[in-house]
Amino acid sequence: ETGVTQTPRHLVMGMTNKKSLKCEQHLGHNAMYWYKQSAKKPLELMFVYSLEERVENNSVPSRFSPECPNSSHLFLHLHTLQPEDSALYLCASSQEYTGTGDSTDTQYFGPGTRLTVL
Amino acid sequence: SQKIEQNSEALNIQEGKTATLTCNYTNYSPAYLQWYRQDPGRGPVFLLLIRENEKEKRKERLKVTFDTTLKQSLFHITASQPADSATYLCALSRRALTFGSGTRLQVQP
Repeated sequence: ETGVTQTPRHLVMGMTNKKSLKCEQHLGHNAMYWYKQSAKKPLELMFVYSLEERVENNSVPSRFSPECPNSSHLFLHLHTLQPEDSALYLCASSQEYTGTGDSTDTQYFGPGTRLTVL
Repeated sequence: SQKIEQNSEALNIQEGKTATLTCNYTNYSPAYLQWYRQDPGRGPVFLLLIRENEKEKRKERLKVTFDTTLKQSLFHITASQPADSATYLCALSRRALTFGSGTRLQVQP
């Protein structure tokens, strides 16, 4: 399988559940990202990992917990979510994360997980 | 912090016409700007990157311009087709990407 894959594609969970989203990239990239996309809002960057180290955490509530065990895999662990957390969660990867300044690095996105919190 | 805006939430055009989408940015002068296409329920797909010293960039029926004075990029699709119907996102290339909210293009046959 090529590109960036995400599982599950759809997830419905209650507010007291614990679930995990999985992302895998087959591109040999060194950087991986989690984004949240809500209706009629821009993509919101949640977390960035570079070489398995978390390098950005954009004020995301602690009920979202990322994990990057190696450069090909990224998880987002979910617990005690709220209904307003319902959204499309997108994983992406890129060759490098520059950290500072502008970059020509382009991102490759997975198909996303459509999350519904009841 | 940098802000990026796509003024039109939706754009409807007839097949064969040229679609023009606008992206404006403030509080920052990016060296690069990217455009992505997103189909419903799918992740964005990279289309084009333009550098600040490039006034224009083309790829098949796509053309992107970058006006650093106006702080604006225009995205054109010539000879549009119904298959071009999608949401188009612009993004600033600074550290991680900062995306606009997108313009939903609908090409009518």
